[in-house]
Amino acid sequence: EAQVTQNPRYLITVTGKKLTVTCSQNMNHEYMSWYRQDPGLGLRQIYYSMNVEVTDKGDVPEGYKVSRKEKRNFPLILESPSPNQTSLYFCASSSGAYNEQFFGPGTRLTVL
Amino acid sequence: RKEVEQDPGPFNVPEGATVAFNCTYSNSASQSFFWYRQDCRKEPKLLMSVYSSGNEDGRFTAQLNRASQYISLLIRDSKLSDSATYLCVALYGNKLVFGAGTILRVKS
Repeated sequence: EAQVTQNPRYLITVTGKKLTVTCSQNMNHEYMSWYRQDPGLGLRQIYYSMNVEVTDKGDVPEGYKVSRKEKRNFPLILESPSPNQTSLYFCASSSGAYNEQFFGPGTRLTVL
Repeated sequence: RKEVEQDPGPFNVPEGATVAFNCTYSNSASQSFFWYRQDCRKEPKLLMSVYSSGNEDGRFTAQLNRASQYISLLIRDSKLSDSATYLCVALYGNKLVFGAGTILRVKS
């Protein structure tokens, strides 16, 4: 089954404790991206990747890091999480930015 | 000013009604536009792409007006299952910008 998976689905953590949210897709897609969704603000793109080893900032990259060492994986790293990073996070993949984006199920993160 | 703006609603309509949403975008350089649907904090899913000439998919019609910088979504014969949040999306280069969404509630 073609899908995008994210782990963990839910996470409660404390300020400053490094965490990684994994994202994996099995569709051989080149384009992958991360979003956060907050009430009233919609989805905002954090980072995107056009292909392996090619990443670029979206609209809200501060406080986040990403890497794209393999085509299928695009982890999101929070080196020192803060409460304002409490949000619902979605990973997405597609064959290109122009094409349909396939989203993962989301990760609900709470930073205390 | 947000790059992509939508009326948040909610739009409350009876079954069978026709409802229309508009979305405005501020950057005339945007190349492509889409409508996504999101159910109750689940992942968004593509509803339809928006073409310059307008396009239709069953009960759904999308139109683009580049001169006025807005796109629209028309839903005819609304069903209960159409209740969701509709997200307008613009593509700038390789970046996707989402509107905050319009809530639709269809009631029997």
